[in-house]
Amino acid sequence: DGGITQSPKYLFRKEGQNVTLSCEQNLNHDAMYWYRQDPGQGLRLIYYSQIVNDFQKGDIAEGYSVSREKKESFPLTVTSAQKNPTAFYLCASSQLAGDVWLQFFGPGTRLTVL
Amino acid sequence: GQNIDQPTEMTATEGAIVQINCTYQTSGFNGLFWYQQHAGEAPTFLSYNVLDGLEEKGRFSSFLSRSKGYSYLLLKELQMKDSASYLCAVRDSNYQLIWGAGTKLIIKP
Repeated sequence: DGGITQSPKYLFRKEGQNVTLSCEQNLNHDAMYWYRQDPGQGLRLIYYSQIVNDFQKGDIAEGYSVSREKKESFPLTVTSAQKNPTAFYLCASSQLAGDVWLQFFGPGTRLTVL
Repeated sequence: GQNIDQPTEMTATEGAIVQINCTYQTSGFNGLFWYQQHAGEAPTFLSYNVLDGLEEKGRFSSFLSRSKGYSYLLLKELQMKDSASYLCAVRDSNYQLIWGAGTKLIIKP
């Protein structure tokens, strides 16, 4: 089955610890994205990557880091510099469907920092 | 700044019709998307509009007016499984998606 997987679904960490969220896709998509979702707010873009070994900051990149060493994988590290890391994190990849670039999402990881 | 407005919550009755509105102010426009998101799950794509008018897909339809910066999602013959949040997103001049906060739709029997 083709799709996007994120692990784990729920993650708890102590304040001051770095944590890495996994995102893997077997859809052969070039572009991948990380979003953060908070109650009452729209999805906010953290980082995106359009090709292996290249990535760009989104609107709220401070306190986060990413890597894109393989096409299939786009892990996100939430560092201790992120002031309010508790949130629902969504990974996405995009594909051209007809003449439209569509984003497809993974199931998400809910991070709680205690 | 860029802004997308949707009602926070709506309630409708099973079998009825509901219209969810979305207004936007963005730097450029390269299409508008509607996604459905059940609680704690991933958003899934519902519809796309880039030209003015109505796009129909089974029980769901989406309308766009670019001159008014306005779209709506119309859901017919509501079913309990339609209880979810509906997210409106606009692709701006940089081809990035700007997302609304979503409308939580509650379906009552």
